[in-house]
Amino acid sequence: AQSVTQLDSHVSVSEGTPVLLRCNYSSSYSPSLFWYVQHPNKGLQLLLKYTSAATLVKGINGFEAEFKKSETSFHLTKPSAHMSDAAEYFCVVNGAAGNKLTFGGGTRVLVKP
Amino acid sequence: EAGVAQSPRYKIIEKRQSVAFWCNPISGHATLYWYQQILGQGPKLLIQFQNNGVVDDSQLPKDRFSAERLKGVDSTLKIQPAKLEDSAVYLCASSLVGGIPTDTQYFGPGTRLTVL
Repeated sequence: AQSVTQLDSHVSVSEGTPVLLRCNYSSSYSPSLFWYVQHPNKGLQLLLKYTSAATLVKGINGFEAEFKKSETSFHLTKPSAHMSDAAEYFCVVNGAAGNKLTFGGGTRVLVKP
Repeated sequence: EAGVAQSPRYKIIEKRQSVAFWCNPISGHATLYWYQQILGQGPKLLIQFQNNGVVDDSQLPKDRFSAERLKGVDSTLKIQPAKLEDSAVYLCASSLVGGIPTDTQYFGPGTRLTVL
């Protein structure tokens, strides 16, 4: 069994300040972990993925995430928020055979000017 | 590289009517997925195809939902008859291989269905 918990349903930041989106997972297998972003009325876009290589993963648009096995966490960060970062972010785990994704509940990010 | 294409983008129907959604995956991708995303929630897998065979349809309400992937490329998802609770965004995704955790799924823009 696998599950994902995104610890904040909403995050509000000012433009130019750091962004932190928290994610905890559980999996019976060695997981692959993903962060996807969804802008309004758009599909899901892959930001980055962890697949058991380097624990610090760099993605698109300045985002990065760190896999911490001891804490079962995969938090997403960006040093400086931009207005275009306003969107919903999903943490996703894939730890089972068959490539079955389990999505977190999502974190909606608001960026204030 | 072209992404996953879906149509229509929006559909409004009345309950008990039928509706169909179409998906064209990324060229060469063997695995195709249909997800349902209800407002405020993460996507939920409805059905997964490997080429033109069904791998997982355990979450598909088979009394009203059906899907097919002819020739292992395009796919259609049908709802008949629709219920109010089917109002959601229907997302199609594809991946190169399927069956391994490291395989990345690429998503289309989705079809927003409103059932009145």
